[in-house]
Amino acid sequence: AQSVTQLGSHVSVSEGALVLLRCNYSSSVPPYLFWYVQYPNQGLQLLLKYTSAATLVKGINGFEAEFKKSETSFHLTKPSAHMSDAAEYFCAVRPPRGFTGGGNKLTFGTGTQLKVEL
Amino acid sequence: NAGVTQTPKFQVLKTGQSMTLQCAQDMNHNSMYWYRQDPGMGLRLIYYSASEGTTDKGEVPNGYNVSRLNKREFSLRLESAAPSQTSVYFCASSEGTGGRTTGELFFGEGSRLTVL
Repeated sequence: AQSVTQLGSHVSVSEGALVLLRCNYSSSVPPYLFWYVQYPNQGLQLLLKYTSAATLVKGINGFEAEFKKSETSFHLTKPSAHMSDAAEYFCAVRPPRGFTGGGNKLTFGTGTQLKVEL
Repeated sequence: NAGVTQTPKFQVLKTGQSMTLQCAQDMNHNSMYWYRQDPGMGLRLIYYSASEGTTDKGEVPNGYNVSRLNKREFSLRLESAAPSQTSVYFCASSEGTGGRTTGELFFGEGSRLTVL
């Protein structure tokens, strides 16, 4: 079975500061990994995804994430936080294409609430 | 640009009542899912339908039933609602889970259910 752990249920940064949201995965094979963002009272929206191509993935709104197999991590970063980045962020994992064991559904982490202060 | 549409957006039930959450997608996706979201627990999969005509249990199926009515529609039914089912429910769809797809999910805006 695959899982992800998001360290820190709440993260607070100042506007203009670096955003770092942590995600570690557990998987017997290199998985596909996703970051989703949820704004208040809305559904989840895909930020970016890793599907075994480039290890540094760029997404929308200036976010990026790097797949590090040696650290089993897929941390989300943004160089300079903006007030509009305040939201909840979810990391998710699924087995890679062609892997038949354990199903192909996404498994989500518990989420990290990002607060951006002036 | 409808994407995934859920109804109703809000519902209040009394314990023991039944209700059905409706979901429809217009992206010609093969797979559809129902998740529930609770504070501090992320999203947990209730049921999913990998393709039209099939449904399977997810992580937390107890107390729920689903119907994949056709390729577009996937409904979630609570036969006898309990306070523990108070949650926000999200429907999602994806192209599928095999072949060349990555399994990326597209979400509806959620249905907020309160069971008193």
